[in-house]
Amino acid sequence: EAAVTQSPRSKVAVTGGKVTLSCHQTNNHDYMYWYRQDTGHGLRLIHYSYVADSTEKGDIPDGYKASRPSQENFSLILELASLSQTAVYFCASKGTEVFFGKGTRLTVV
Amino acid sequence: AQSVTQPDARVTVSEGASLQLRCKYSYFGTPYLFWYVQYPRQGLQLLLKYYPGDPVVQGVNGFEAEFSKSNSSFHLRKASVHWSDWAVYFCAVKGNMGYKLTFGTGTSLLVDP
Repeated sequence: EAAVTQSPRSKVAVTGGKVTLSCHQTNNHDYMYWYRQDTGHGLRLIHYSYVADSTEKGDIPDGYKASRPSQENFSLILELASLSQTAVYFCASKGTEVFFGKGTRLTVV
Repeated sequence: AQSVTQPDARVTVSEGASLQLRCKYSYFGTPYLFWYVQYPRQGLQLLLKYYPGDPVVQGVNGFEAEFSKSNSSFHLRKASVHWSDWAVYFCAVKGNMGYKLTFGTGTSLLVDP
């Protein structure tokens, strides 16, 4: 069965610190995505990638970097975490349909 | 640019009653439309999808949705709601060759016992 695994599932980070969220898929999909979920905004696309070693900006990329070292792995990096980046982050991969991970709840304090 | 509007942030229905969750989309061209469900502390799961063809599509657990080009809508329906349907529902749109799913803000469904 298609699977997208995110780690960690929750994290508390300090303002100004570096945060890395990891995502691993076993679907053999080319496309992978990072979305952010906030109450009242639904899911918004941060970065995506359609091939290893390449990433693209989504709708809200400011303050985030992404890394796709292999087809299976896609990371989201917050170099300088800020309070406004407190949210739930979802990774997804896309074949004929999109499969989502269970999310990472990030709290920046 | 593509967009989705879900006008109802919260809907409450009694168990056994019928349900309609509203979705309006904006897309220049042929849209592909989706409904996802999110249970507490879970990721999103696909309920159903519309690819150009029959405007009424069937999904899992008795859900169906109807595409209307004239109204730019893709409303979700269920004839009889169960308590286990308590969740947040998201409508999404993408284009034929598009890579990006654009989501609405979601509708929280509460079920009265």
